[in-house]
Amino acid sequence: EAGVTQFPSHSVIEKGQTVTLRCDPISGHDNLYWYRRVMGKEIKFLLHFVKESKQDESGMPNNRFLAERTGGTYSTLKVQPAELEDSGVYFCASSQGESLHFGNGTRLTVT
Amino acid sequence: EDQVTQSPEALRLQEGESSSLNCSYTVSGLRGLFWYRQDPGKGPEFLFTLYSAGEEKEKERLKATLTKKESFLHITAPKPEDSATYLCAVQAGRRALTFGSGTRLQVQP
Repeated sequence: EAGVTQFPSHSVIEKGQTVTLRCDPISGHDNLYWYRRVMGKEIKFLLHFVKESKQDESGMPNNRFLAERTGGTYSTLKVQPAELEDSGVYFCASSQGESLHFGNGTRLTVT
Repeated sequence: EDQVTQSPEALRLQEGESSSLNCSYTVSGLRGLFWYRQDPGKGPEFLFTLYSAGEEKEKERLKATLTKKESFLHITAPKPEDSATYLCAVQAGRRALTFGSGTRLQVQP
């Protein structure tokens, strides 16, 4: 079984640019989550999809972040325009039960 | 607000030297407490879920226990390959997981 896959693994962009992160969950997993870890802090929740619907987006920091999940399959997280404080590691996770399966993350650096 | 505090922040052990990691939590209506292992450059890897006080789960050299206020991850006779960051997270109701900052474990041969 293929795990959760995230693209790209690293991204370096300038402040004000746009970046799109992609997550391919484990096939058949209805639940898809985005989390992020900023420098020195704990992993924090961003949002939760059930199939193609946003179940909970209470962790999204502001309207510069836009998440979509096309047809209940892969998901994208767009940051536009990026700010310095957006730097960190963005994790995607999927589940069909209690335990979350995480991808290896996208390390985003905004300069 | 749900809170998770892990201690110590870092722990260095000799191979074979058993120890415990602590996870203290404050949550309204605990649904589950989760332990994850994270290696550098990787995502968290699921280890255990505990649901109620008194519950224990084991996997190889690891044993997780749960009380009403904290959880312990006991590591018996650790090996260098057990070196990683261990993360604790809680879930209340249908809310998303709240993570602690983790304990960085280094096991020296």
